[in-house]
Amino acid sequence: AQSVAQPEDQVNVAEGNPLTVKCTYSVSGNPYLFWYVQYPNRGLQFLLKYITGDNLVKGSYGFEAEFNKSQTSFHLKKPSALVSDSALYFCAVRLFSGGYNKLIFGAGTRLAVHP
Amino acid sequence: DAGVIQSPRHEVTEMGQEVTLRCKPISGHDYLFWYRQTMMRGLELLIYFNNNVPIDDSGMPEDRFSAKMPNASFSTLKIQPSEPRDSAVYFCASSPGTSSSYNSPLHFGNGTRLTVT
Repeated sequence: AQSVAQPEDQVNVAEGNPLTVKCTYSVSGNPYLFWYVQYPNRGLQFLLKYITGDNLVKGSYGFEAEFNKSQTSFHLKKPSALVSDSALYFCAVRLFSGGYNKLIFGAGTRLAVHP
Repeated sequence: DAGVIQSPRHEVTEMGQEVTLRCKPISGHDYLFWYRQTMMRGLELLIYFNNNVPIDDSGMPEDRFSAKMPNASFSTLKIQPSEPRDSAVYFCASSPGTSSSYNSPLHFGNGTRLTVT
């Protein structure tokens, strides 16, 4: 089955330290991968995507993600965390075979950045 | 661009009542998605439309749920009768329908928080 997994329910990091939020995927064919962030009482906001090309993609708010085909991973990273980065982060994969075109999300990882 | 607009933001109703959630997608977007978010099940895709036509409703929990898109600027998700286990946040999202639609991100509304007592 095609799916995306986020192995950590929560990630804790001190402000100023680098952060990584993990994501692995299982899809047939080339994956279209996305990261979204959700702040309290808000909808999901798009951060970045990987479609093809460079394995390191840059997105909003200083975030970047590294696509690794051999490890089937798409981890979200930021060199220096801010308290305001505290939120719920979702990895997602676009499924478009068989006439479908839909986005399937992981369970989400709560990021807590401590001052 | 006003973004995806959902109404109401909060809905509290009693078990057995009919609930209607509304969504206005971004103008020009051909795809519309309905998701449900709960602590236990995360984000679930309920149904999505392309050019107002339902494409995949395999995520709709049961016959109590129905969704319509009468035109390109409006969609509804209806629950009749509602049950306490339907309590969740329901999100609507839209995305463009161009040839590059597969790599276009979804734009989400702020959701409707439904509480069924």
